[in-house]
Amino acid sequence: DAGVIQSPRHEVTEMGQEVTLRCKPISGHDYLFWYRQTMMRGLELLIYFNNNVPIDDSGMPEDRFSAKMPNASFSTLKIQPSEPRDSAVYFCASRSVGAGEQYFGPGTRLTVT
Amino acid sequence: GESVGLHLPTLSVQEGDNSIINCAYSNSASDYFIWYKQESGKGPQFIIDIRSNMDKRQGQRVTVLLNKTVKHLSLQIAATQPGDSAVYFCAERGGSNYKLTFGKGTLLTVNP
Repeated sequence: DAGVIQSPRHEVTEMGQEVTLRCKPISGHDYLFWYRQTMMRGLELLIYFNNNVPIDDSGMPEDRFSAKMPNASFSTLKIQPSEPRDSAVYFCASRSVGAGEQYFGPGTRLTVT
Repeated sequence: GESVGLHLPTLSVQEGDNSIINCAYSNSASDYFIWYKQESGKGPQFIIDIRSNMDKRQGQRVTVLLNKTVKHLSLQIAATQPGDSAVYFCAERGGSNYKLTFGKGTLLTVNP
């Protein structure tokens, strides 16, 4: 298996622009998680899905952030409009039902200027 | 809310020595703990996990110890190698939800 796949790996955009991050979880995994990592706040959970349904989005910082999972093999995290303080590395992770460990993708480094 | 924290933000060891990375947690309801390794520019990589009904679990060159009395978790790496240099995170899962709460991480540097 190729593991969790994220795209793009790097994104540089200007403040006010829309940003869409993409994730393909490991095949057969029922849970998908979106995290944000910064030096100041560490690794924070934004939202997670179970069987494509959002279960907990309490970590989503503002209404500017939205996430979807239209099918079992694809999820997006959208920021609209983006702001400089959104600059961070965004990780997607997945896990199978009954397992504890989550498997992380390589991350998307977002820079908003 | 309750959080996971680390005693030492940095640890420097000589190649071949054993390393011990510590983690304190505060949620007494946490039933599952996990250690991740994160190399520069990469995502966190699963190392080893332990459930709250255990106090020790061993993997290949790694051992996790859990002391629920003092809410303490440690990761021991035997015969540390330069390739072990990374940031190590502990994480806890509190109860029936599937959310992991991560600590801030410890930077391990292995000197050749």
